[in-house]
Amino acid sequence: NAGVTQTPKFQVLKTGQSMTLQCAQDMNHEYMSWYRQDPGMGLRLIHYSVGAGITDQGEVPNGYNVSRSTTEDFPLRLLSAAPSQTSVYFCASSGDGTNYGYTFGSGTRLTVV
Amino acid sequence: AQKITQTQPGMFVQEKEAVTLDCTYDTSDPSYGLFWYKQPSSGEMIFLIYQGSYDQQNATEGRYSLNFQKARKSANLVISASQLGDSAMYFCAMRELQGGSEKLVFGKGTKLTVNP
Repeated sequence: NAGVTQTPKFQVLKTGQSMTLQCAQDMNHEYMSWYRQDPGMGLRLIHYSVGAGITDQGEVPNGYNVSRSTTEDFPLRLLSAAPSQTSVYFCASSGDGTNYGYTFGSGTRLTVV
Repeated sequence: AQKITQTQPGMFVQEKEAVTLDCTYDTSDPSYGLFWYKQPSSGEMIFLIYQGSYDQQNATEGRYSLNFQKARKSANLVISASQLGDSAMYFCAMRELQGGSEKLVFGKGTKLTVNP
């Protein structure tokens, strides 16, 4: 099925560990982005990309790295996990000029202990 | 400064009645788009409706309509004939297009509860 695939769905990390959240889309979308969702805060933009080789910072980029080597993949790296990074992470993508909304992955629930 | 403001943390509506969820936005860019998403308790993000800044008419999608007042920078979502399945979080979002780049930013959301 076409869409945005996020892995893993759940993850528990210890403080200081690093990990990569995977995001892949098969719709040939140029735009991809990462959000974190915390209670009462809505979705906050972490990093985004308008195409392969191009990334930029969103509202809350600290502690996260991204790269976009292909159109399909947009991984999010946590360099040294902290309890404050406990959250639900969503990846989203959209085609150029779409009026039909952004397609979201099913989310990754991350707990840092 | 917040780009998207949703002033209603929670709303209650009786089944079959209409409800309006408020959203105001802040941008100096003449080209932008406004979206509403629904997030049920299962967690997925469901696209509901879109309004472009140059669209002359208010967007409608089934029971959803967007009351777009450009001068007031508001983009309220109207749900007609509420159903129990409409109980969810609702997020307003704005896409800004600047210099070949784009960003989609969200408000904090409104939790809608539909009572039988």
